[in-house]
Amino acid sequence: AQTVTQSQPEMSVQEAETVTLSCTYDTSESDYYLFWYKQPPSRQMILVIRQEAYKQQNATENRFSVNFQKAAKSFSLKISDSQLGDAAMYFCAYRSPVGGSEKLVFGKGTKLTVNP
Amino acid sequence: DTGVSQNPRHKITKRGQNVTFRCDPISEHNRLYWYRQTLGQGPEFLTYFQNEAQLEKSRLLSDRFSAERPKGSFSTLEIQRTEQGDSAMYLCASSSRLNNHGAFFGQGTRLTVV
Repeated sequence: AQTVTQSQPEMSVQEAETVTLSCTYDTSESDYYLFWYKQPPSRQMILVIRQEAYKQQNATENRFSVNFQKAAKSFSLKISDSQLGDAAMYFCAYRSPVGGSEKLVFGKGTKLTVNP
Repeated sequence: DTGVSQNPRHKITKRGQNVTFRCDPISEHNRLYWYRQTLGQGPEFLTYFQNEAQLEKSRLLSDRFSAERPKGSFSTLEIQRTEQGDSAMYLCASSSRLNNHGAFFGQGTRLTVV
């Protein structure tokens, strides 16, 4: 079974600075998807960024980018120019390739605090 | 709003009572998921529907839990004879077969069993 590990329960960053959240995963599959989700307090979980395992190029969405190291099974999230609105729980998630349930397997999350 | 809608948002119930939650997915999404999230943990998969068919259930889903998705539209999750350990956030998510953008989540139903 696939597992996802987020080793940083909490992180903090100064506004406008850069922070990197870590994620490692374990799988025997060669093709899969990886996601970072953001869950603000009392609000719904939203997708931040996704990465297809077959793509070598790291995904980027505005201030958010990933460092995907397939051999190391590592998938870190970098947030540049941090904003107060970035404060939230961040979850790394794994999904098997197309076919089957495509259920998500989540890590335990990292709580990000942004200091003004 | 065309997002995933869950009702109620909060539910407090006495141990031993039955509760039912509802999820309305994004209308064109044929896949619907239920997850459970406890404090300090990430969401854990409970069950999955493709249209009206329940195709996968987690071992976390004990016999006291049942989920339905009649007509492939909204879904309900019922917990019978609730226990204190059932206290959690229950999240619903939906996705399209053609959607590789992960799933879209509702705001969840927070259950407290007293």
